[in-house]
Amino acid sequence: EAGVAQSPRYKIIEKRQSVAFWCNPISGHATLYWYQQILGQGPKLLIQFQNNGVVDDSQLPKDRFSAERLKGVDSTLKIQPAKLEDSAVYLCASSLQGLEAFFGQGTRLTVV
Amino acid sequence: AQSVTQPDIHITVSEGASLELRCNYSYGATPYLFWYVQSPGQGLQLLLKYFSGDTLVQGIKGFEAEFKRSQSSFNLRKPSVHWSDAAEYFCAVGLSGGYNKLIFGAGTRLAVHP
Repeated sequence: EAGVAQSPRYKIIEKRQSVAFWCNPISGHATLYWYQQILGQGPKLLIQFQNNGVVDDSQLPKDRFSAERLKGVDSTLKIQPAKLEDSAVYLCASSLQGLEAFFGQGTRLTVV
Repeated sequence: AQSVTQPDIHITVSEGASLELRCNYSYGATPYLFWYVQSPGQGLQLLLKYFSGDTLVQGIKGFEAEFKRSQSSFNLRKPSVHWSDAAEYFCAVGLSGGYNKLIFGAGTRLAVHP
């Protein structure tokens, strides 16, 4: 069974630039999560999708972050414009029934 | 508010020694409980999970965890640590009801001395 795929693995951008991350969840998984993991901290949920609908985006900085999940499969997370404090690993995870989550390898973002 | 606390930021053990990583949660109902492990540069891998039933659960790589409702704890244990167990360990709580939300603790970094 293929796992959760994320790209790119690494990204370096200057502050105020924009960036996008892509996630392909495990086939058939209706629930998709985006987490932000700052160095030395646990993952923080940014947004949770159930199929292509948002069920929780309470911690998403909506003035600069956006996410979509078209057709209930792939998802993209965008940051525009990026700030220094956005430097983190962005993890995508998917779940069959919203319980046990399977994680991708993450995208490490460095904002300089 | 729901929260997960991992009191130990860093733990160092000798190879072959036993290990216990602590996790406490704050939640009004019985949550779903998970332990994940993260090696450097990697995503999170599920070690074990507790949904209901037997409060002692077995996981992969020789790990086990015990749910204690009275203490709101879900501590991770391993009887004999291997050098390859050096990693960061995260306890997570799945909040049931509606669309299940997964909340993580801050993690415990485990170092293993030869």
